[in-house]
Amino acid sequence: KAGVTQTPRYLIKTRGQQVTLSCSPISGHRSVSWYQQTPGQGLQFLFEYFSETQRNKGNFPGRFSGRQFSNSRSEMNVSTLELGDSALYLCASKGGGGKYEQYFGPGTRLTVT
Amino acid sequence: QKEVEQNSGPLSVPEGAIASLNCTYSDRGSQSFFWYRQYSGKSPELIMSIYSNGDKEDGRFTAQLNKASQYVSLLIRDSQPSDSATYLCAVNDRNYKLTFGKGTLLTVNP
Repeated sequence: KAGVTQTPRYLIKTRGQQVTLSCSPISGHRSVSWYQQTPGQGLQFLFEYFSETQRNKGNFPGRFSGRQFSNSRSEMNVSTLELGDSALYLCASKGGGGKYEQYFGPGTRLTVT
Repeated sequence: QKEVEQNSGPLSVPEGAIASLNCTYSDRGSQSFFWYRQYSGKSPELIMSIYSNGDKEDGRFTAQLNKASQYVSLLIRDSQPSDSATYLCAVNDRNYKLTFGKGTLLTVNP
């Protein structure tokens, strides 16, 4: 099975711009979670989508939003970018059916200048 | 605030030794527990999951869970230089939201 894929892998944006990141889960997985990883804060949970519905949400401002499509692909959007949004953004998919293991994609490295 | 605590390290062990990584968590209702390995510049890779009290072995890796003490550990036997990485402990709460520790940096010296 192909793994989780994320696009783009690297992105450079300017403060105030917005960005959209994409994630395709492992085939058959319906849950997609997004995380932000920074050296200071570690891995922090942003949100989880399951069957096109947001199921869980972390403690991030409303500038961070997401959605999931009927094919389970997910997008994450960050509006009005700030320098502190520079991070590795990771998505992970989960299979369900009593299995709670999450498998990560390669991540998108976002740099805000 | 649900917390997952790990020693940041670095933990340094000689090749062939046993590396012991520890993790404590604050939410007594936590349901499932995971260890991830993350090489520098890469994404986390799942290496072990454990759901019940006791030990679970997979090759050179053994995960240990003690829910009464709210403690999870990972033992790596016959450590290899290729095991040098940051090890992340992750805990699912009762809503199946995953919280990560900050990770322990392991260095295996040849």
